[in-house]
This record gives sequence, structure tokens and C-alpha cells, in this order.
Amino acid sequence: EVQLVESGGGLVQPGGSLRLSCAASGFTFSSYDMHWVRQATGKGLEWVSAIGTAGDTYYPGSVKGRFTISRENAKNSLYLQMNSLRAEDTAVYYCARGSTYYMDVWGKGTTVTVSS
Amino acid sequence: AIQLTQSPSSLSASVGDRVTITCRASQGISSALAWYQQKPGKAPKLLIYDASSLESGVPSRFSGSGSGTDFTLTISSLQPEDFATYYCQQFNSYLLYTFGQGTKLEIK
Repeated sequence: EVQLVESGGGLVQPGGSLRLSCAASGFTFSSYDMHWVRQATGKGLEWVSAIGTAGDTYYPGSVKGRFTISRENAKNSLYLQMNSLRAEDTAVYYCARGSTYYMDVWGKGTTVTVSS
Repeated sequence: AIQLTQSPSSLSASVGDRVTITCRASQGISSALAWYQQKPGKAPKLLIYDASSLESGVPSRFSGSGSGTDFTLTISSLQPEDFATYYCQQFNSYLLYTFGQGTKLEIK
């Protein structure tokens, strides 16, 4: 079964850091682009970052310079290092498998709360 | 920057109804558009890709159409499990991956 399981969410103070992880199983992880997508409570979906099979990375302006996506193919794992966190980063963060331009498999998400 | 605007933002319908949701792009995006369904407290689920290709396992009552700037998601006969929020999504070379604001489909 193809599966993505996120972990690492929690409560962090503004300005703090957090590292999210995503464990992949059931498919050849190294062959797929991977994404992080977030959703604030009651809001829509926002793409956060992507990493290609060659390790190329992409970010929207809202997180560029603060978030870093990485992957460890030997461990079938995806990561998101989040620094300089702000209240507006509070959201459920989903890990998703990329297929060309869309996302065909999603994890259940992990919740990040940025608050003092 | 290409933006995606969905209409309506919310919709009330009854079981058995035919429903159409529209996604309009601010610039032409060929057929590189996907649709997702999200139920409360759950992750999004891919329904349609390449504007009209049905993802494996998705019921045939779901269909997509369009190209360029105007796209539609149609549910031919609403079932109770279809009440959810629907999002369109596209890729562009500037903002990369963009989602529409969502359409909430509620029971009338």
C-alpha cells in the first residue's frame, strides 16, 4: 500500500524552528518529486515546497529563505526544516507525492502551531 | 502571476443533482489542471488530472473538462459521500503550484 506518514508537528514560539518528517512506503520513493502543502484552519490549500528527484528545490515567496525541504532516499524520507516561524505558519502540513504537476498521494498531515 | 478563481465558493445541492464547479485561470494554462476533493479533517484526494483524466478508483460520475483558461468539474448525480470541498490546482513557471480558493458543496 502506498503510504505517507507525517510527524514532527507541535507547538513552537514565534521565531522558533521545527523539523517535519514524512515517511514514505509502498513505492519507489527516489523516483518521485515530493511536496509539502499546508492548510490553516478553515482556509484553503497552500503549496509550501517541492523537491525533485535530483534534489532540486522550489518554494513560494511566503516561505523562501525560512523553510528548507530535503529528502533522504535511503530512508524513504522527506523533511521540512522550518525556521523563523510566524503565527501565519500555523497550519496542518501535508506531505504529498508529485506526479508531473499534480499530487497523487497525500499523507494525513501533522499540525504546527506557532504561538507564545 | 497566474491565479485560479473557483465559482461558486459554496453550493447547496441535493442527492441526485448534477453539479458543476468552475475554475478560471487568469492566463492560459493548456490542460495542466487537477481537481481534488477534501472532506473535513481529511487530506485532499486527487480526482481529476490533465483537466479531464479520471484518477484510478474515482467514480465515473466525476468528470472534468476545459482547456486554456476555463475548466469545469461535474458530478453527474450527487451521492451523500460527495459533500465536501473541491479545489482546482495548476502549475506555472512563476508561482509554481497554485490552488483555487475552494468550493464547499453542502447538502440542501
